[in-house]
Amino acid sequence: DIQLTQSPSSLSASVGDRVTITCRASQGISNYLAWFQQKPGKAPKSLIYAASRLESGVPSKFSGSGSGTDFTLTISSLQPEDFATYYCQQYTSYPLTFGGGTKVEIK
Amino acid sequence: QVQLVQSGAEVKKPGSSVRVSCKSSGDTFSRSAVSWVRQAPGQGLEWMGGIMPIYSTTNYAQKFHGRVTITTDESTSTAYMELRSLTSEDTAVYYCARGPLDILNPFDYWGQGTLVTVSS
Repeated sequence: DIQLTQSPSSLSASVGDRVTITCRASQGISNYLAWFQQKPGKAPKSLIYAASRLESGVPSKFSGSGSGTDFTLTISSLQPEDFATYYCQQYTSYPLTFGGGTKVEIK
Repeated sequence: QVQLVQSGAEVKKPGSSVRVSCKSSGDTFSRSAVSWVRQAPGQGLEWMGGIMPIYSTTNYAQKFHGRVTITTDESTSTAYMELRSLTSEDTAVYYCARGPLDILNPFDYWGQGTLVTVSS
C-alpha cells in the first residue's frame, strides 16, 4: 500500500497568513494526488486533483504543486472559512489511501 | 449539479449487518465510479472499496475483503454498501464519493455521510 505522510499534523495561523501543507508518498505516484477540505461534522470537499488542478468553484487562493513523492497545498491568504482539516489522497493504485490530515486552527 | 444523498443514521448490534445507500442525481450514474470512505470518531479517512457500474467491476480494500459488498441499482441511480459482522470498531461515519468512470479517478462529489453506531 502507498503511505501518505502529511506534515504538520496541525498548525496555528492567523487570518491573512500564507499556509503550506506537505504530503509525502512512500513511492512515486506521478501527479495522481488530490486534496480535500473537511470542516467539523461535514463531508469532505474536493479542492484539488491531479496535484495542481482546482476543482470547479474552488477559489484561487488554494494551489497545489508537486509530482512523484512530494506535494504541497498552499493557501495564499488564510480566511476564517479556511480553518478546517485538510487531507491528501492518492488515486494511482489500489487501495486508495489518504494522508493523516492537517488541522488548521486559529492562532 | 451532481448530488449524492445517503440514507439515515443506523444503530446496530455487534455481529449484525448494515446497508447504507447513496442516491445520485444530476449526472449519468452509469458513467460514474462510486467509492465508500469511512471515518471513525476523531480519526482520518479510510477507503473501503468502490464500484464501476459501466465495467461491472468492484475493488475492495484488503482490510474489508469478505465483509463488505458494494452494489449499484442503475434503475434508481443508487449505490449500496453492506458491511457484515459488525463490531464496535465499525462505529463511524460512512461516506460515498463519486468520480468519473473509474475508481482510479479523483472524487469530485461526496455524500453527506451516514453515522453507523455499533453498540450492544
